[in-house]
Amino acid sequence: DAGVIQSPRHEVTEMGQEVTLRCKPISGHNSLFWYRQTMMRGLELLIYFNNNVPIDDSGMPEDRFSAKMPNASFSTLKIQPSEPRDSAVYFCASSFGLVSETQYFGPGTRLLVL
Amino acid sequence: GQQVMQIPQYQHVQEGEDFTTYCNSSTTLSNIQWYKQRPGGHPVFLIQLVKSGEVKKQKRLTFQFGEAKKNSSLHITATQTTDVGTYFCAGPTHDMRFGAGTRLTVKP
Repeated sequence: DAGVIQSPRHEVTEMGQEVTLRCKPISGHNSLFWYRQTMMRGLELLIYFNNNVPIDDSGMPEDRFSAKMPNASFSTLKIQPSEPRDSAVYFCASSFGLVSETQYFGPGTRLLVL
Repeated sequence: GQQVMQIPQYQHVQEGEDFTTYCNSSTTLSNIQWYKQRPGGHPVFLIQLVKSGEVKKQKRLTFQFGEAKKNSSLHITATQTTDVGTYFCAGPTHDMRFGAGTRLTVKP
């Protein structure tokens, strides 16, 4: 079975450019999570969805970040405009259920904003 | 959501030595999960603890959930180089986020 799929795996862009990260959760999972990981701040939960509906976006840093989940098999995290401080590894995770369920992480997208 | 406090932040051991990481919350947790992230990899689920005082073992790894369900620990007996990585605790999604993690390095 395929795990959580993320694309691209690596992204290098210049400050001010739009960045779109993509995630395909495990089939049958109804919760999806976006995380950001940096050395300074550790693993931060940005937003999570349940049944395609955003439940908590309090972790989204600012208006430059937006996330969508148009259907059960696809989600995007968009940064517009990107800034150097957005450089991080972005993980997507999915789970079957929302509360107290194991989260399965994708391989992550390594983003570098120059 | 609140985060748990996880200590130590770093631990360097000689291969064969034991290792323990601790997770503490100011509030009662309905459950706690442990994850491991290898260098350059992604977090991978290890185990979930639900019951007060619960102890679970996975080979050389022993996981404990405190009686008050406010703290947890992960103990590794006789570490090996394959144990290298960062160990995270995490609470229920709606209530708590991941801890800061304990980064374990093992010297052969």
